[in-house]
Amino acid sequence: EVQLVQSGAEVKKPGESLRISCKGSGYSFTNYWITWVRQMPGKGLEWMGRIDPSDSYTDYSPSFQGHVTISADKSTSTAYLQWSSLKASDTAMYYCARQLDYGVDYWGQGTLVTVSS
Amino acid sequence: NFMLTQPHSVSESPGKTVTISCTGSSGSIASNYVQWYQQRPGSAPTIVIYEDNQRPSGVPDRFSGSIDNSSNSASLTISGLKTEDEADYYCQSDDSSENWVFGGGTKLTVL
Repeated sequence: EVQLVQSGAEVKKPGESLRISCKGSGYSFTNYWITWVRQMPGKGLEWMGRIDPSDSYTDYSPSFQGHVTISADKSTSTAYLQWSSLKASDTAMYYCARQLDYGVDYWGQGTLVTVSS
Repeated sequence: NFMLTQPHSVSESPGKTVTISCTGSSGSIASNYVQWYQQRPGSAPTIVIYEDNQRPSGVPDRFSGSIDNSSNSASLTISGLKTEDEADYYCQSDDSSENWVFGGGTKLTVL
């Protein structure tokens, strides 16, 4: 069974760093890109970027380029999304998903990140 | 910037048919495939249509997708509405740089 299991909810202060994870299982992790999607409270879906776990090649949305870093460790079948300095506006639910040629087929359960002083 | 515009909300009665539109801001929406996602409250999205009109296994044939070049729009049609179809629906496609773009989402109420 294909699964993407994300790390648990986080509560952070502005300026702190954070890395959240997305562990794939039940399939060959390096055969599919992982994409990350943000959903701010009460708002819609926003594509952040994606990574090819086979070689760690990344694409970023212009809206998120330079604000987050996407990485992957193929030895542990885990993708990561990280911030070096969080802002209150980073408060959101973050989803990882397994990307197909078009669209995604499996989603993680989401990681809620709350940034508050 | 390429944008996809959806109606904020639609409502219809059980058993009826509803269509949700997704209009491209520029270029031809037919240039790149459109996907549709369903998101129920408190849950992660799930895909209901990919490559304009293909249904993943497990998605009922009450769900269908189409492209209308004359209006530069994609549409998701749900027939035989059920209360379980009540959810937010998002269209998604690519811009010219192959970056993903989501529509703003449509809240479907089945009442």
